[in-house]
Amino acid sequence: KQEVTQIPAALSVPEGENLVLNCSFTDSAIYNLQWFRQDPGKGLTSLLLIQSSQREQTSGRLNASLDKSSGRSTLYIAASQPGDSATYLCAVHYGGSQGNLIFGKGTKLSVKP
Amino acid sequence: DAGVTQSPTHLIKTRGQQVTLRCSPKSGHDTVSWYQQALGQGPQFIFQYYEEEERQRGNFPDRFSGHQFPNYSSELNVNALLLGDSALYLCASSSYNGQQYFGPGTRLTVT
Repeated sequence: KQEVTQIPAALSVPEGENLVLNCSFTDSAIYNLQWFRQDPGKGLTSLLLIQSSQREQTSGRLNASLDKSSGRSTLYIAASQPGDSATYLCAVHYGGSQGNLIFGKGTKLSVKP
Repeated sequence: DAGVTQSPTHLIKTRGQQVTLRCSPKSGHDTVSWYQQALGQGPQFIFQYYEEEERQRGNFPDRFSGHQFPNYSSELNVNALLLGDSALYLCASSSYNGQQYFGPGTRLTVT
């Protein structure tokens, strides 16, 4: 069964800290992996997409890594800000370009001023 | 480019009723996928439509059905609503490379 797990479920940090969110998946035959941000009651905003052939992607203060062999991905956020407070979801795309996404339950991040 | 749009934004229904949710894909996209997100959970795949046919389906009962129109827009229909159907329903569109772009969602409350 294809499952995605995110640890921790919740995280509270002071402003300015660097932090790492973890995602693990059971089936390594992925097409790609995506990290999303979700604000309360809102839709999903795509942050980073890593193709199965890639090791990492960077966008501004965000860096995502992918290790297919161990079934793990991390999202690194540098110099966290209160505006980063949201739920971060990891989604693994299986079944090629015609496949669907399997999501983790998310990590709820709170950055305190 | 308007991106993926969904309507309505919020909806309140009574148990046993039927509901229809609508989605317009991003310009140039021909594939629409639907997801259900219960409170505190990650989204779960319902089904995917391509060329007006259901191409894939997740583990959802037949009460959940859909349709795709020639302009690639899509509807999600849920019959005989249960309290447990209360959730945020997300639509995502994609094209040949499979990257999915999500709409803002429809919040369904069943009382």
